[in-house]
Order: sequence, then structure tokens, then C-alpha cells
Amino acid sequence: EAEVAQSPRYKITEKSQAVAFWCDPISGHATLYWYRQILGQGPELLVQFQDESVVDDSQLPKDRFSAERLKGVDSTLKIQPAELGDSAMYLCASSPGVSNGYTFGSGTRLTVV
Amino acid sequence: GIQVEQSPPDLILQEGANSTLRCNFSDSVNNLQWFHQNPWGQLINLFYIPSGTKQNGRLSATTVATERYSLLYISSSQTTDSGVYFCAVEQAGTALIFGKGTTLSVSS
Repeated sequence: EAEVAQSPRYKITEKSQAVAFWCDPISGHATLYWYRQILGQGPELLVQFQDESVVDDSQLPKDRFSAERLKGVDSTLKIQPAELGDSAMYLCASSPGVSNGYTFGSGTRLTVV
Repeated sequence: GIQVEQSPPDLILQEGANSTLRCNFSDSVNNLQWFHQNPWGQLINLFYIPSGTKQNGRLSATTVATERYSLLYISSSQTTDSGVYFCAVEQAGTALIFGKGTTLSVSS
């Protein structure tokens, strides 16, 4: 069964350092999503891509977060500088299109110390 | 925006028991999914069910879109069913919005 690949699986970084996460969606899935999940809560959308274009980044803290999907395939989410409050699970998902199911990757668990 | 409410927030069961999890949403949707989040944090898709009834082994789900709720049934629960169950909905032009989840603990 096709999977969404994410790396790294775990990341510990010091406050004020830069950190990056990578996601490779299921082949052929045009829509890619980055979600953030704080412990004890449901995932919340950070950014949505349709091919290489950003569809929704209204909840992305743009002063420190950036996301790209240059060739419309894999994607990178970056945080610079990291803050203690950024400690969370970062989840990537992909979908073949509107009103189709989402498939999530295993996530990257970030701890900022 | 749309509100997604899940109940109960916590559920403790003995192995073999049955359970029903509920998801209420405040507006019409074109996508509804149930997920199980395992202890390692991965979200496993259980059902894509914007309307109707589906079954997969010991799990089944029903969505009544006109009344804006969905139910997830777990029969003969096993310890491996433990974890957090999320309901998530999508409207036209938006990404999936998640509820706060139901935490299920099944003991042997």
C-alpha cells in the first residue's frame, strides 16, 4: 500500500536553531498538507499545497515558518528560529483531490529545548 | 468556521466490550474521515464516510449527513484498539478540520 514518507522521525533542537522537515506524498497526489499537533489536541492545518502552489497558509506563522513544494512533488517545512512552543508533532498528508480521503505520514516529533 | 465535537472525551473498556464514539458537526460537509492515532503518533485512516454506512472487520461507521453526525462502532474491543480516535471533516474550499478526539483505553 502506498505511503506518505516523512523524515526525520524525531528531532531535538535547541531554541533559536533552524530545523527542517521533509515529506514525500503518495505518487500522483496533487494536494499536500502540513499539520501541527500539540500534545493532547487534534491536528491543525499549517499549509496546503495544490501541486506547487500554496492554497492556504493562513495559519502558518510566517515570521518563523516557511514551506515549499518546488516541483509539485515532495515538500519541506522549515522553522527558523525554533521556539519552545514549537514542540509538537508535525504531520504531512496527501490527497488525490477534493473530496477524496487523506493519507497521513508517520510524522516528525519535534522537541525544542 | 465549522465546529467538530467528539464524545465521550475518554473511554475505558474491558477487552471484549463494545463501544460507540460520536462526532457532531455544525455545518454541511463533503468529506468525513475517522482516524485512529497509534501510540507512535501515526494517524491511521479507518473510514472515508461522508454519508452512509461502512464496515471493516470489527469496526463500522455511519454518517447521517442531514443530521450532521457520525458514529464509529467498535465491537469485541482488543487492547490494540487503544489510542485516540479522531473525526475530521472537510468543507468545500477547506482542508480537514479535526475534533479533539476520544481517548480509548482497553484493558485485558
